[in-house]
Amino acid sequence: HSALTQPASVSGSPGQSVTISCTGTRSDVGAYGYVSWYQQHPGQAPKLILYHVNSRPSGVSSRFSGSKSGITASLTISGLQAEDEAEYYCSSYTHYSSLLFGGGTKLTVL
Amino acid sequence: EVLLVESGGGLAQPGGSLSLSCAVSGLSFRNFAMSWVRQAPGKGLEWVSAISDSGGNIYYADSVKGRVTISRVNSENTVYLQMKSLRAEDTAFYYCVKDQYDILESGFDYWGRGTLVTVSS
Repeated sequence: HSALTQPASVSGSPGQSVTISCTGTRSDVGAYGYVSWYQQHPGQAPKLILYHVNSRPSGVSSRFSGSKSGITASLTISGLQAEDEAEYYCSSYTHYSSLLFGGGTKLTVL
Repeated sequence: EVLLVESGGGLAQPGGSLSLSCAVSGLSFRNFAMSWVRQAPGKGLEWVSAISDSGGNIYYADSVKGRVTISRVNSENTVYLQMKSLRAEDTAFYYCVKDQYDILESGFDYWGRGTLVTVSS
């Protein structure tokens, strides 16, 4: 089963908003509300920033929000800050009782 | 403080075996499902395997099915990943991760620092 599809890179200026898409199929993103997003800075382990499409773990900034339409989930980061520059990964539970990750999106804050 | 500490990584030959361990502290280990996620150097994340809180439900990625066995010992707060018939494409950092709530459905809220497995002759 193929990885979820994410853009390789996105960029934005401080204060702006950016959106990262995550496209799957009707067997994963389209079938369940079990999409999560992770932020990974270089040399560090990933950090969970959203789960169940749009729920934030305790301590995660409200600047991170998520949505889903059909087979595509999206992560929006508002009020971009320099510290948001990182790699972002989506994941989704699948019909096959497995988990798929996206290929990752590198966010550059200009 | 919740800590997940992986060990057992290293160099293995193609076709060889390796066993990883993950010691968990700072939480009620027996109440949570656990998974292993790997990341090849400079590449993206790949889920490998998951085990429910009791160990009664186990899941594997197609890429490792038949070559990998996940297990846990709740009395020791430890989860294991036994790997055999290793291939070059198994080379990666292997992260031990904790499911936030239901297995595979709610994200992984705690991650270890990872242990590097290198498969090479």
